[in-house]
Amino acid sequence: LAKTTQPISMDSYEGQEVNITCSHNNIATNDYITWYQQFPSQGPRFIIQGYKTKVTNEVASLFIPADRKSSTLSLPRVSLSDTAVYYCLAQGGATNKLIFGTGTLLAVQP
Amino acid sequence: DTGVSQDPRHKITKRGQNVTFRCDPISEHNRLYWYRQTLGQGPEFLTYFQNEAQLEKSRLLSDRFSAERPKGSFSTLEIQRTEQGDSAMYLCASSLGGAGTGGEQFFGPGTRLTVL
Repeated sequence: LAKTTQPISMDSYEGQEVNITCSHNNIATNDYITWYQQFPSQGPRFIIQGYKTKVTNEVASLFIPADRKSSTLSLPRVSLSDTAVYYCLAQGGATNKLIFGTGTLLAVQP
Repeated sequence: DTGVSQDPRHKITKRGQNVTFRCDPISEHNRLYWYRQTLGQGPEFLTYFQNEAQLEKSRLLSDRFSAERPKGSFSTLEIQRTEQGDSAMYLCASSLGGAGTGGEQFFGPGTRLTVL
């Protein structure tokens, strides 16, 4: 599974749009890009997943360019409760096991 | 609440003791995963079941660790002769789907193990 690289931390203010970029230069053809959110002392929670182009759900959008070497998670109008660690993962293979990095700690301030 | 439960939520034990954790996945999910997470790090994959078959084990899973999923429902993770380095959060996740589907994994709240 491809290794992903993302910023260690980001700061934002309530109501702003936040974009977290992830690079995955060696992504495999059958890998999906998946983002999870984790609050302290809780298990990770699925946010969004995509293969290419753009995917949008009720909480986020995911942009994946044609070469699939990077992706951007977009969180519209963040609130204080969006303060968490966000993980970008390449998911695939026979097991679909998740290989987590250290993630991006997003701190939302009032 | 994701529908995945883990028991106990917290476990404190002395070095050298054996501990067992239980995970109850979402009932219709055929896949079950165990991960371990230490402070400041992302979760690390330990092992994976499809139904009752254990199909992959990480090299992180030493011979002191054993996992089972009898009847393809709940799973147990046992650690024998615990060491202080085993202190971590143990997370269980379940999913539904076949290979290559990139299925969403639903995580339980975890069991926090402290080895004194």
